[in-house]
Amino acid sequence: QLHLQESGPGLVKPSETLSLTCTVSGASISSRRFFWGWIRQPPGKGLEWIGYSGSTFHNPSLQSRVTISVDTPKNQFSLKLSSVTAADTAVYYCARHSGTSTAVDYWGQGTLVTVSS
Amino acid sequence: EIVLTQSPATLSLSPGERATLSCRASQSVSSDLAWYQQKPGQAPRLLIYDASNRPTGIPPRFSGSGSGTDFTLTISSLEAEDFAVYYCQQRTNWPPMYSFGQGTKLEIK
Repeated sequence: QLHLQESGPGLVKPSETLSLTCTVSGASISSRRFFWGWIRQPPGKGLEWIGYSGSTFHNPSLQSRVTISVDTPKNQFSLKLSSVTAADTAVYYCARHSGTSTAVDYWGQGTLVTVSS
Repeated sequence: EIVLTQSPATLSLSPGERATLSCRASQSVSSDLAWYQQKPGQAPRLLIYDASNRPTGIPPRFSGSGSGTDFTLTISSLEAEDFAVYYCQQRTNWPPMYSFGQGTKLEIK
């Protein structure tokens, strides 16, 4: 059974870099059939796609601030979002994206990151 | 950038009734559309992918239809656990990007 688990600081100061890690169990992150990415949801609002590994294309509204990388030996992938503001406060989900369909089929439980001084 | 517009924003129905949720794209997405269900405090759950395909484990009362710019999620007979927020999501092939609709809240009447 595939399981994704987010980890990282729950509080980040404005202008600093948000860093999260997603640990994958039950499948190899090196599979070429899937991409590993991030989606966020501000409190009380809808879903916003951020981006996924192996692609230089991320959400245009976040493009210049986003870095997504993969650590294959650890079966983990990570998100870095620089120069954060209060608008980046959200629940951040890591998720598996199918390489052959529209499906984002496995999600982590999500982790709330608050940007505040 | 492709914008997805969902309607209605809120849908009030009773258990046993049929629910019809709409998602309209600002330009054609072919059949590259998925639907998700989200309950409070939980991650979204994939219901439909590629417009009309149901993943293993999703009950047959959930069905998706449409192509191009107009899509529909139908729940044939509502059960108590179906009351939640539903999102549509599209994927563009190039550049490879995704976006979500703003959601439809399905509430008990």
